[in-house]
Parts: sequence; C-alpha cells; structure tokens
Amino acid sequence: DTEVTQTPKHLVMGMTNKKSLKCEQHMGHRAMYWYKQKAKKPPELMFVYSYEKLSINESVPSRFSPECPNSSLLNLHLHALQPEDSALYLCASSQMNGNSPLHFGNGTRLTVT
Amino acid sequence: KNEVEQSPQNLTAQEGEFITINCSYSVGISALHWLQQHPGGGIVSLFMLSSGKKKHGRLIATINIQEKHSSLHITASHPRDSAVYICAVSTGGGADGLTFGKGTHLIIQP
Repeated sequence: DTEVTQTPKHLVMGMTNKKSLKCEQHMGHRAMYWYKQKAKKPPELMFVYSYEKLSINESVPSRFSPECPNSSLLNLHLHALQPEDSALYLCASSQMNGNSPLHFGNGTRLTVT
Repeated sequence: KNEVEQSPQNLTAQEGEFITINCSYSVGISALHWLQQHPGGGIVSLFMLSSGKKKHGRLIATINIQEKHSSLHITASHPRDSAVYICAVSTGGGADGLTFGKGTHLIIQP
C-alpha cells in the first residue's frame, strides 16, 4: 500500500468538462509534486508545492490548475483539456531537503475524449 | 543529450540470473534515486544514494560520484522483478523534483 493516496484511479472526461484530481498524504511531508507520464516515457514534472506554496511551475498550460489547500492535500483542477493531455498523472511527496526520497501515489489514469 | 542516461533500455533474462542496470549522469547531483514502476502505474522508491553502496534484500545499488555512474543489481532474479526500473537524480538542496532517465524495461522469464 502506498502512503500517498490518489483519487480517482481512472477518469474519463470530455474536452468541455471540469474535473479535479486529488492527492493526500499524512507523512508530514511539506513538498508535494504533480507529474505527468505518457506511455513508455519517464514522468515529467508539472508543479511543485513547498510549504503549501507553488514553488515550481514547469510552463504547464493554464488548463491545469494546481491547488494545495493544506499540508496534506494537493489537487489538480482540469478544464478544457485536449486529447493529448491523456496520461497517467502521478502525485508525490517528500521532506523539504534535497536528500529525501519521493513517495509516489499510484496515479490517476486520465483519458480525454 | 539527456542529463540521465540508462542502459540497457530493454532487458530479458531467465529466472535466477544476475541483473545489472546502469545509469550515467552529466550534472551535479545531491542524490541519485532508483525507482521501480510496475504495469498499472505506481512508482516505488528502491534506493536513494549520495555515495557508496546500499543493499536491500536481493537488490544492491552502487554509485561512483567521480565517474558520475550508478548501477542497480538484482541477484537471483525472479519473474516478480519484472518492471520498469528508473534512475533519477535530484540536483538541488530543496524540493525541486527529479530528473529521470528513460527507464529500463526488465522482463524475467520463468
């Protein structure tokens, strides 16, 4: 069992829908991450939150909107996505120093129709 | 050129064989991570190294900082070891995410 919980596991949405991905951890980690992973490719960093503040945005289109309501929760709000946004979205958390392992969730597999 | 290079990309071996996956990196790092990803998505952190060698069960990870090279070894491989193994590096002192290699797809046949 992973200590980082992502919901839902699967999501199918149309291009006009609005949906949200959720991520939760209770390990006291103050860094949380969103990654996007296409098939047979490594994960790509999208966003990093440090102490509940957005610290890194890797030039992600505005149709992806992250939110960190508290130190345990991380959301990714989706609006007007494109079919090419279909991917596995992975959440991770870690302690704040650069020598801390990342703990990944099992991901949300998103299909945009 | 990718900052993190892994080899081989694909590896098929028989159960019981000794497996080695290699990783080279071209940037200064604060730590190197070996990760495992099974079909279906979830990623598990196997090791985090900044020097020397670590062992966990049948898995051994080594790193040579001077040569900017790391290896992951699996002894007495088993079909349940079949997965994608990913080398990744962290380059900063804080939370800046990881730079990933492209992964090694390992299949262990019974």
